[in-house]
Amino acid sequence: GENVEQHPSTLSVQEGDSAVIKCTYSDSASNYFPWYKQELGKRPQLIIDIRSNVGEKKDQRIAVTLNKTAKHFSLHITETQPEDSAVYFCAATSGGYQKVTFGTGTKLQVIP
Amino acid sequence: NAGVTQTPKFQVLKTGQSMTLQCAQDMNHEYMSWYRQDPGMGLRLIHYSVGAGITDQGEVPNGYNVSRSTTEDFPLRLLSAAPSQTSVYFCASSLAVGNQPQHFGDGTRLSIL
Repeated sequence: GENVEQHPSTLSVQEGDSAVIKCTYSDSASNYFPWYKQELGKRPQLIIDIRSNVGEKKDQRIAVTLNKTAKHFSLHITETQPEDSAVYFCAATSGGYQKVTFGTGTKLQVIP
Repeated sequence: NAGVTQTPKFQVLKTGQSMTLQCAQDMNHEYMSWYRQDPGMGLRLIHYSVGAGITDQGEVPNGYNVSRSTTEDFPLRLLSAAPSQTSVYFCASSLAVGNQPQHFGDGTRLSIL
């Protein structure tokens, strides 16, 4: 089955700096890669996603890049703010697009 | 729309007891799934369904049963609770099969003593 690895597990940045979280996947048939943000005690919520026919996608301060050849994708947050502090999960869809496999999460702390 | 509704929010069980975690969505989504979230292990797929009457196993299905008699409801049953099932459980739904954004419920925090 699919295996998704996520790094780093924790990340501290100063407010205003950029943060980068990286994920690798194993199933070359995976074609959908969402990112979720989970604040403490709350539900995961989608922040951005990318499909395998696109190399990069941006939404204001958030961007995701995908390298299908290397089977890795990354989340980039620019001009970080304290409210960006949360756990971020990457995911990949495989198994005929029926199973979603999550990474183990990155706890991002933005220091004011 | 209420989105994805999970009940209960908290539950404490004794080892060996059984219970059902409820999940309902009002978005007419075909795909529904159950995850458990444990510290340091992310979200692990327990069972999923691609439509009414169709269910399949995920990564960690042992000790859990599901059914999907309607599009709206996808209950998760713990047959004989064990301390290893202490976790936070999330139900999620998406418009179609897994290559669409998932909408999560608020979660059920379950403790097995």
